Amino acid sequence: GNSVTQMEGPVTLSEEAFLTINCTYTATGYPSLFWYVQYPGEGLQLLLKATKADDKGSNKGFEATYRKETTSFHLEKGSVQVSDSAVYFCALRVLRGSTLGRLYFGRGTQLTVWP
Amino acid sequence: DTEVTQTPKHLVMGMTNKKSLKCEQHMGHRAMYWYKQKAKKPPELMFVYSYEKLSINESVPSRFSPECPNSSLLNLHLHALQPEDSALYLCASSQVGSTSYEQYFGPGTRLTVT
Repeated sequence: GNSVTQMEGPVTLSEEAFLTINCTYTATGYPSLFWYVQYPGEGLQLLLKATKADDKGSNKGFEATYRKETTSFHLEKGSVQVSDSAVYFCALRVLRGSTLGRLYFGRGTQLTVWP
Repeated sequence: DTEVTQTPKHLVMGMTNKKSLKCEQHMGHRAMYWYKQKAKKPPELMFVYSYEKLSINESVPSRFSPECPNSSLLNLHLHALQPEDSALYLCASSQVGSTSYEQYFGPGTRLTVT
């Protein structure tokens, strides 16, 4: 089946620390992979994506590389800021019957960054 | 414009009320989605519309009734809800045809059922 496993949170870091949030997946077929971020009281925003093996998605200092051999898509940032405090969701999308492509989410990881 | 709008932002309703949630996008997307999100949980898919036709219903109770009047609008009609239906309801849209197309989410409607 299709599923996403994310590291358990919460993750608490000091400003300028290095961030890694682990994400692994299982999928039938060849998925696209996404990281979404949800700030308090808001909807989900796409942070970055990768659509094929070895692709690196990047945005706002965040990066993730699509590793097919380890079925992973870990999120990293070299120096976090207080404003990065949010919940981060790893997700995959596969075709299902039609061309719709349903999203499968991980459980989400709460990140809190202290000044 | 990559915006999905949702109204209302907050809604409080009694168990005997009828209300509707609205969602709109002007990105030309032909797939639209309803999700339910409980606190500290990922979104759960409820319904998917593709080209204004209902394509996926994830065994959602009939007290939730979706409607897609045209390619830009998506409604969710609510009737006789239960307190456990209190949640954040998210609308999303995407292009159709490839897994690489991301879903764009609205800000959500915070629903409280009393």
